[in-house]
Amino acid sequence: AQSVTQLGSHVSVSEGALVLLRCNYSSSVPPYLFWYVQYPNQGLQLLLKYTSAATLVKGINGFEAEFKKSETSFHLTKPSAHMSDAAEYFCAVNSNSGYALNFGKGTSLLVTP
Amino acid sequence: DAGVTQSPTHLIKTRGQHVTLRCSPISGHKSVSWYQQVLGQGPQFIFQYYEKEERGRGNFPDRFSARQFPNYSSELNVNALLLGDSALYLCASSWDSPRQETQYFGPGTRLLVL
Repeated sequence: AQSVTQLGSHVSVSEGALVLLRCNYSSSVPPYLFWYVQYPNQGLQLLLKYTSAATLVKGINGFEAEFKKSETSFHLTKPSAHMSDAAEYFCAVNSNSGYALNFGKGTSLLVTP
Repeated sequence: DAGVTQSPTHLIKTRGQHVTLRCSPISGHKSVSWYQQVLGQGPQFIFQYYEKEERGRGNFPDRFSARQFPNYSSELNVNALLLGDSALYLCASSWDSPRQETQYFGPGTRLLVL
């Protein structure tokens, strides 16, 4: 079954520092991978998605992620954190059937001044 | 353009009651999916509907049911509510349901069961 594991339930960075949120996937077929962000009391907003067109994927708000098949990873990065980046981040992979998204448990990003 | 809308935004019920949650997809989207997000966890897939037919079902009991209407809006019904059903219920829509399609999420309905 397709699944993702997010390493680190909480990550804290200083404003202006590099953001690195880790996601590893398990998939029996070429995966389609997604990163979503959830601000408090809101739904999920798509940051970016990987669909095999390019291994380096650029998303909104300055985020990007690199698909590394050899490491089964799809880590999310941003060169310089902003206070407004504080939120919950979810990595997800399409299920084998294609109908469902299988989400990780999420990583809470805290940005300190 | 309007995004995915859900109603109500908040709901309080007692154990044993029934609840109906509603979702309107983005205009032109034919697929609607439902997810349950328990506090502190990632969303869990409940159902997907496409063109009014159930395409997929997650590991949820039969107390959970859903349907999709001709205008592609959808309802999620939960019978015999349990305390553990307290969660944020998210609706997502997509144009179609192949694996690479992006699902766009609504703001959710927060259900509290007392």
